[in-house]
Parts: sequence; C-alpha cells; structure tokens
Amino acid sequence: DQQVKQNSPSLSVQEGRISILNCDYTNSMFDYFLWYKKYPAEGPTFLISISSIKDKNEDGRFTVFLNKSAKHLSLHIVPSQPGDSAVYFCAASGTDTDKLIFGTGTRLQVFP
Amino acid sequence: NAGVTQTPKFQVLKTGQSMTLQCAQDMNHEYMSWYRQDPGMGLRLIHYSVGAGITDQGEVPNGYNVSRSTTEDFPLRLLSAAPSQTSVYFCASSYSLGGNQPQHFGDGTRLSIL
Repeated sequence: DQQVKQNSPSLSVQEGRISILNCDYTNSMFDYFLWYKKYPAEGPTFLISISSIKDKNEDGRFTVFLNKSAKHLSLHIVPSQPGDSAVYFCAASGTDTDKLIFGTGTRLQVFP
Repeated sequence: NAGVTQTPKFQVLKTGQSMTLQCAQDMNHEYMSWYRQDPGMGLRLIHYSVGAGITDQGEVPNGYNVSRSTTEDFPLRLLSAAPSQTSVYFCASSYSLGGNQPQHFGDGTRLSIL
C-alpha cells in the first residue's frame, strides 16, 4: 500500500514558467514532509521541507504548500530553469514511524 | 568534503553470488540507512541503523544483511544474489532518525544480477 503517492510520473514546463509538482499521502500521522531532487547518476539531495503545523514554506524559487485536510502537498518552482530538470521525490515521516516514506517520483523537464 | 561515499558504482553478479556494498560517511552521523530504487517504486528502505551496534529492518529486508561496527561504516551484504535484486542502491545518513533531519545520500551503486 503506497502511503505517499506522486501520480504524475512526468511533467514538462517551459523555462520561466511555474512548475507544480504534486504529492498525496494517506497516513494522517505524518507530521513532516520533505522534497528531494535527483539528477541522473547522483543520489537524491534535500530541497525543502515543511512541518505539519505550517501550510507554506518558502526558500528562494521553491515553495511547498501543505493541505492537511486534503492530505496533499505541492512543490512550486518559480521561475523554472533548465537546471531544475530532474526527478523530484516527495517523502514523509510521522509520529508512528520515524522512517522516511518516499513517493515514486516525478520527472520534471524544463525546456527553453 | 566527501559526505556519503558508496563503492562500487557498478557491479554485475551472477545468480547465487554474494557481495558487499560499501557505505562510509564522514559527518559523524548516528543514523544510516540503505534504500533501493526501482522503476515506478520510488525509494524503499532495506535496513537502517540508529548507531554503532544497532540495526533494524526496513520495508524490504529479505535477502540482505547489515552490520554497524563503527559510526562511519554501514555495509550492505547480499547473501545469495537473485535477479529480483537488480536495482540501484543508495546509502544515506543523518544526525538523527526524525523526519526534520534531512538525509544525505551517496551517489548509488547500480547492481545487475544475471
């Protein structure tokens, strides 16, 4: 049973426009959410996170929004750049499990 | 600053062979873990350790063995390789187990079992 779901396997966005990556979860005990970015032949790198007591966290061009009632979070990248082309993983942890549960990833392609 | 170092980067094995994937970190992190990444499956936790001498199973532990004799090293052993273990393996470390501690990943080991 997939507790963290990224239903869009891929997304293509023009440079300068907004990229929106979505993530849904089923476990209401999750209280911390993270986004990781992964380039080919490299390990995932931490991008941004949000605690369940917040509904928004911003870091430069990256903003994560959390809607607890809908069990949904999204990552906004504005403006998108070609260097943002990568696979993005959503991950969650909670009071009933300290371990990170990862989604299946979304491949973002930013074209000129 | 090395961070998390995994060796080898690539390996091809025959069914039934055994091998050890190495992982070392130089950040004095207590928490280390092993994941496998498969197409359409995301990252799945195999085993983890909260400190030297302490290990526990993750989501997909069967066929793998780990030990943690030092803070720095966390090797993953395949006891008898099977084609289903063909995957990309990532080692990660962090200060603690909590979700508010981002994990640092190595660059992975791509393993093929024939």
